[in-house]
Amino acid sequence: DADVTQTPRNRITKTGKRIMLECSQTKGHDRMYWYRQDPGLGLRLIYYSFDVKDINKGEISDGYSVSRQAQAKFSLSLESAIPNQTALYFCATSEIQGGGETQYFGPGTRLLVL
Amino acid sequence: AQSVTQPDIHITVSEGASLELRCNYSYGATPYLFWYVQSPGQGLQLLLKYFSGDTLVQGIKGFEAEFKRSQSSFNLRKPSVHWSDAAEYFCAVGARSGNTGKLIFGQGTTLQVKP
Repeated sequence: DADVTQTPRNRITKTGKRIMLECSQTKGHDRMYWYRQDPGLGLRLIYYSFDVKDINKGEISDGYSVSRQAQAKFSLSLESAIPNQTALYFCATSEIQGGGETQYFGPGTRLLVL
Repeated sequence: AQSVTQPDIHITVSEGASLELRCNYSYGATPYLFWYVQSPGQGLQLLLKYFSGDTLVQGIKGFEAEFKRSQSSFNLRKPSVHWSDAAEYFCAVGARSGNTGKLIFGQGTTLQVKP
């Protein structure tokens, strides 16, 4: 079984709708991240969480919110989706080991906002 | 400002040929360095990483990368490319200080492999 899972894998929604993307991990890591990927831009950080009570904004948090329900679960919400939020969304967890921090990514959620 | 540049958006090589993907970074100090690969329809898989020590690091699938401090580079290499290596490759850097865990990604390089 995959260590980091994301649901749904694909989603089509309409402008103005609220949607939630979910991420679960079985790696036992405290740190979790949400990124979005756009062609030609690489991945950009939306939010990150170092534990259940510690949530931080990334570089592009406007229009998004998150919830860390448990160590293993980190959800991303779009309160009122807009077309320029069409992207591939990745969740990641990380571990600190060997003198550094390494991130491990889920399979991604492809979101289309019409 | 911190940044990562992958100068080549798209590269095509013949199967069996050698490969080098370039990565340059702009950072205040030596960062953590990573290469990830994204196969079509898949998530990002870690190929290799550099934290400290030997500047030539070995990764999975026969890849290696060399950290060159003087050039602020971390280029990825493979001596003989296989058709299954066709994918998008991302270089990323992470901060050693500040305990933020944030990664900064390059724009990605798409590798096409000709038979």
